Amino acid sequence: DTGVSQDPRHKITKRGQNVTFRCDPISEHNRLYWYRQTLGQGPEFLTYFQNEAQLEKSRLLSDRFSAERPKGSFSTLEIQRTEQGDSAMYLCASSLGAGKETQYFGPGTRLLVL
Amino acid sequence: QKEVEQNSGPLSVPEGAIASLNCTYSDRVSQSFFWYRQYSGKSPELIMSIYSNGDKEDGRFTAQLNKASQYVSLLIRDSQPSDSATYLCAVNSWRGGTSYGKLTFGQGTILTVHP
Repeated sequence: DTGVSQDPRHKITKRGQNVTFRCDPISEHNRLYWYRQTLGQGPEFLTYFQNEAQLEKSRLLSDRFSAERPKGSFSTLEIQRTEQGDSAMYLCASSLGAGKETQYFGPGTRLLVL
Repeated sequence: QKEVEQNSGPLSVPEGAIASLNCTYSDRVSQSFFWYRQYSGKSPELIMSIYSNGDKEDGRFTAQLNKASQYVSLLIRDSQPSDSATYLCAVNSWRGGTSYGKLTFGQGTILTVHP
């Protein structure tokens, strides 16, 4: 299966700790997206990359959040000093880009901050 | 007004019936429209994409787009209990001739198909 993969699938952490999530997109997909989804809501956009360039960041992405995509391959999303409000499903998606904007989602990382 | 709004659920239909899911969007420059299905605890799975006014059919699913009315819908024919899930409408906007990148989602409509 060559779909989008995410690691870890589940993360439980204590408030104030730092966490890092990884996303591996579908190979040859140039664009990679991060979304956050809370219970009963649709996914909310956080940020996206075209190759290694971060092209847009949502206002939801506070200073505690940082994302990288070194060499335009996998991406990491780090949350520093986690808060209980950060508890959510973090979804990664990828697309071919250049007008082919169908986004395919990974299985997500479910974060619980105690 | 929310950017993307879906008809409030939950929606319950008997097996074999047609389920109709509706979505309106506010950004007139929106160009690409998607329907995703999401089972409880899982990630969104693409069902249909539609870019032009009119209907697009794929098996039991038909997407309908009316850009003038800023409206997109999804019809599921011969509904099955396995279709029970949350259906998410997503819209992608374009700027300057290129895709804006992000998808804006509605809040989702919960569909239950009962035997």
